[in-house]
Amino acid sequence: NAGVTQTPKFRVLKTGQSMTLLCAQDMNHEYMYWYRQDPGMGLRLIHYSVGEGTTAKGEVPDGYNVSRLKKQNFLLGLESAAPSQTSVYFCASSYEIWTANTGELFFGEGSRLTVL
Amino acid sequence: QQQVKQSPQSLIVQKGGISIINCAYENTAFDYFPWYQQFPGKGPALLIAIRPDVSEKKEGRFTISFNKSAKQFSLHIMDSQPGDSATYFCAASKYLPGGSYIPTFGRGTSLIVHP
Repeated sequence: NAGVTQTPKFRVLKTGQSMTLLCAQDMNHEYMYWYRQDPGMGLRLIHYSVGEGTTAKGEVPDGYNVSRLKKQNFLLGLESAAPSQTSVYFCASSYEIWTANTGELFFGEGSRLTVL
Repeated sequence: QQQVKQSPQSLIVQKGGISIINCAYENTAFDYFPWYQQFPGKGPALLIAIRPDVSEKKEGRFTISFNKSAKQFSLHIMDSQPGDSATYFCAASKYLPGGSYIPTFGRGTSLIVHP
């Protein structure tokens, strides 16, 4: 039982390049999230999904796109990377509220992205 | 606009002391208040959580105190240990139609417990 797995763990990009971060969870969770973590800024929600085939914008969605074609996977894409997107990205997943009466999020170990 | 304000940004405590981290929120629709603990190089993990129908919740050395009228909640770590050194995030969540609970996080507190 791996939980939430993120790939890659580290990546260096040049400005303007594109890339995709992959998140996979094996807990059959309905909900999945992408956060970015920057020093002194906490965790800010980029996009989230409440089920297969659905996505929604979070607090800081600009410059990112997401897809949830399969329930267990949530992809975060950067079409044209900018230095401001240098950050640590965390994927998380959770049960729907009716399955478990808790709002607990289960996080991956993060993907560190540097944009030069 | 910061919906959840957390303080202090950093905290240094001696082993055996009490660590106190405070959070305040604005939106009265929030109804679930978790604390997450994050060690370097790892993702955050749920530490303890409270709902607004109780004023205090204790799990081992960790206690959440909740003041609904003041819209404030705090984490107390009793008998702090070096192994508690981590970053702590408070969060506030509100229920959204469809069954989701989307948390809004504070900016985090870096706790260092000296031996």
